[in-house]
Amino acid sequence: RKEVEQDPGPFNVPEGATVAFNCTYSNSASQSFFWYRQDCRKEPKLLMSVYSSGNEDGRFTAQLNRASQYISLLIRDSKLSDSATYLCVVNSHNAGNMLTFGGGTRLMVKP
Amino acid sequence: ETGVTQSPTHLIKTRGQQVTLRCSSQSGHNTVSWYQQALGQGPQFIFQYYREEENGRGNFPPRFSGLQFPNYSSELNVNALELDDSALYLCASSLTGYGYGYTFGSGTRLTVV
Repeated sequence: RKEVEQDPGPFNVPEGATVAFNCTYSNSASQSFFWYRQDCRKEPKLLMSVYSSGNEDGRFTAQLNRASQYISLLIRDSKLSDSATYLCVVNSHNAGNMLTFGGGTRLMVKP
Repeated sequence: ETGVTQSPTHLIKTRGQQVTLRCSSQSGHNTVSWYQQALGQGPQFIFQYYREEENGRGNFPPRFSGLQFPNYSSELNVNALELDDSALYLCASSLTGYGYGYTFGSGTRLTVV
C-alpha cells in the first residue's frame, strides 16, 4: 500500500465547475500537509498548506481530517489555467523531514 | 532572489555509466533534498542534506549518493546506471528543513539507454 494515495484521474470538467480531490495517508505520525500543483514537464509548486481547521485561498479550499487520515482539495469556478496535476504531500518530521508525495490527480478543464 | 537552479536540464547516459547532477539552492536556504520522479508518478524522496550532512534517506540503493557544499549547493551522483533510473530528478531547497517553503528546481531529465 502506498503511503499517500490519490485517484489518478483524469478529471475532465467544464469551465466554471466545482471539482474535489481526495487523498489518504497511512503514516499517523505525519505532521504537515500540502497540496502541490505540477504542470506538464515542470517542477511541483506549492499550492497551499493544509490545516486541521480547514483553509481557503481564493477558489481553493483544503481540509484535513487527522482521525481519518484524509485530505481534500476543492476547486470552485474552475478555469482553463487550473489544468494540471495536483499532488497531495505529507511531511513526517521523524523521517528526515522528507516530503512524501501521492501519485497525483490530473485535472483537465475544458471550455 | 534567485531560485533553485539545476544542471544539466537534460542528459542521456548509457546503462552502467555514472552521472552527476548539480543543484544550486535558493539564496539563504541551508537544506537541500533530492527527489526522483518517474513518468506518471509522484516524486520519490532520495535524501536530504542539512549543513553539509545527510540527515535523511529514502528507499534508494547506495549507488545513489550526494554531497552538499559550504555554499549549500549540492550534487547527486548515481553509479552503475540502470534503465529504471530514467526519470526527472528534482532538487528542492528550504531554510528550515521541515517541509515549509520548499522550492523546487525545474529538474534534470535523465534518460538511460
